[in-house]
Amino acid sequence: NAGVTQTPKFRVLKTGQSMTLLCAQDMNHEYMYWYRQDPGMGLRLIHYSVGEGTTAKGEVPDGYNVSRLKKQNFLLGLESAAPSQTSVYFCASSTRQGPYEQYFGPGTRLTVT
Amino acid sequence: QQPVQSPQAVILREGEDAVINCSSSKALYSVHWYRQKHGEAPVFLMILLKGGEQKGHDKISASFNEKKQQSSLYLTASQLSYSGTYFCGTGVMNRDDKIIFGKGTRLHILP
Repeated sequence: NAGVTQTPKFRVLKTGQSMTLLCAQDMNHEYMYWYRQDPGMGLRLIHYSVGEGTTAKGEVPDGYNVSRLKKQNFLLGLESAAPSQTSVYFCASSTRQGPYEQYFGPGTRLTVT
Repeated sequence: QQPVQSPQAVILREGEDAVINCSSSKALYSVHWYRQKHGEAPVFLMILLKGGEQKGHDKISASFNEKKQQSSLYLTASQLSYSGTYFCGTGVMNRDDKIIFGKGTRLHILP
């Protein structure tokens, strides 16, 4: 099993460009999450999903959109990238059967210039 | 609202003990601990639930004081492999579908 994978691993964008980050998991997990990690700020939840076709806002959702069309995939979109969105983005998944642990992907390093 | 972790950073020599604290302003149902090594993804350590006992594995254990809304992570006889950043995450509801992480505590173990 690959676990949680993220595509791409690195990306550089110019201000105003758009992009989509893909997260895929092969563990049949119901819950999926997108976090951003900035120095000294810890892991902050952007959006999450408790099942196919459902999404919810986390702590820092502004400037991002998400979709969960298939159970195994969770997409994070930036419609108009800003330098403040320069960060490392982690995707995670977990089972619905609590207590649960979250399995993290390797991360995507995004730089917006 | 992010839980507050203390200390922000700690440097130890191999074999020494460390305690990392996590506190919340909200009543908690669960506390989750993760460790992240530099350049890698966070990795799960343990979960503590309201009404549950102190948990641990190997030389890493944790406690959860529900009344004080606090948790502590104990690392005894630290090893070089314990170096990294430790995050606590808190859930406020039974079977909560999300947790909120603190800013982390950086632990550096010297030989």
